[in-house]
Amino acid sequence: AQKVTQAQTEISVVEKEDVTLDCVYETRDTTYYLFWYKQPPSGELVFLIRRNSFDEQNEISGRYSWNFQKSTSSFNFTITASQVVDSAVYFCALSEAGTGTASKLTFGTGTRLQVTL
Amino acid sequence: EPEVTQTPSHQVTQMGQEVILRCVPISNHLYFYWYRQILGQKVEFLVSFYNNEISEKSEIFDDQFSVERPDGSNFTLKIRSTKLEDSAMYFCASSGTRPSYNEQFFGPGTRLTVL
Repeated sequence: AQKVTQAQTEISVVEKEDVTLDCVYETRDTTYYLFWYKQPPSGELVFLIRRNSFDEQNEISGRYSWNFQKSTSSFNFTITASQVVDSAVYFCALSEAGTGTASKLTFGTGTRLQVTL
Repeated sequence: EPEVTQTPSHQVTQMGQEVILRCVPISNHLYFYWYRQILGQKVEFLVSFYNNEISEKSEIFDDQFSVERPDGSNFTLKIRSTKLEDSAMYFCASSGTRPSYNEQFFGPGTRLTVL
């Protein structure tokens, strides 16, 4: 069974601080996909990144970066120089490759990030 | 940019009533999903749908729930007799063909309130 753990329930930082959101996953599959979604106060789910299990390269997109480590089953997300607009709930999610058809996303419980001035 | 749309954005209903939540997936997508998020909790998978049939469903998706793709563009979730605990945000998602079939695009959600 697949499982995603986001141990940090809530994080508060002051603007311009760097912050890392942790994600640990469990799966028996060798092929799987990891995701991060942002949920702002308006409620929609905004896709941030997808990473497959064969690609352990870290990725940077502007102020966002992701550190994927299979050895520790972690897929952490760092926001550099945080801004008030980054305030949201962030969800990590896992999808197993299954039998070639799309399979469900299993979400973590989310980390609420509060960025203050 | 193509997007998933959902209607209504907010639905209020009385306990025991039937509700139908509607979604229009991205037009060339083949896989469709419903997820639920009870207020303040995580997003939970309900059901996936492919080739006009359910691919997978969770234990939440009991006999009170059904899905349908009635006309080739809409994808609906019906709850036959709503309960108070069905109050939640319901998200529709869709994904395309290989190799992107695991990239699910979410709609803005329908907030269902059962009184």
